[in-house]
Amino acid sequence: GQQLNQSPQSMFIQEGEDVSMNCTSSSIFNTWLWYKQDPGEGPVLLIALYKAGELTSNGRLTAQFGTTRKDSFLNISASIPSDVGIYFCAGQLGGGSNYKLTFGKGTLLTVNP
Amino acid sequence: SAVISQKPSRDICQRGTSLTIQCQVDSQVTMMFWYRQQPGQSLTLIATANQGSEATYESGFVIDKFPISRPNLTFSTLTVSNMSPEDSSIYLCSAGQGKTYEQYFGPGTRLTVT
Repeated sequence: GQQLNQSPQSMFIQEGEDVSMNCTSSSIFNTWLWYKQDPGEGPVLLIALYKAGELTSNGRLTAQFGTTRKDSFLNISASIPSDVGIYFCAGQLGGGSNYKLTFGKGTLLTVNP
Repeated sequence: SAVISQKPSRDICQRGTSLTIQCQVDSQVTMMFWYRQQPGQSLTLIATANQGSEATYESGFVIDKFPISRPNLTFSTLTVSNMSPEDSSIYLCSAGQGKTYEQYFGPGTRLTVT
């Protein structure tokens, strides 16, 4: 089956720094999604990407759908303490009835104030 | 986006018993899904809950162990049957909505089996 490689596994940064994380796949996806999960909560959708090459922003977050359809990137600018959490990428093939998500293993972000 | 609630939020159960988890969405949705998240791990899809028909299970998950109901477009249940300690996990439901059915998640049910 499809597998997503998400890196880095964890990051420790200082408040105010920028953060980058990425996801690569062995096969193509038609939609890429980025989620954030806080302790004791369900994942919250941050950004959805629908087209190869697409660059989308949500406040301090920017995500890109790779041109090969096999990768995606998430950048967080000027990090703040509330950015702490686990970030997951997810890929979706779509079409027909194939709307299930395949998740990466997550990136644990720690922000030191 | 859809607002999703789950009951119970957590439970401690004895080995051999069963627990039914409820998932309620605040609007009608086409797709509903159930995931398992083991401590410190990513999310693994258990099944797609189909309205009016049997759920579609992923490899490694079977209906006898995880029976699912979806009586309408806003509600679904997942039962974890004949539980063992290995079933201790977070169980999450999600609803697919929007342009390509991007999924929104409930808060999860934290299950501990002793």
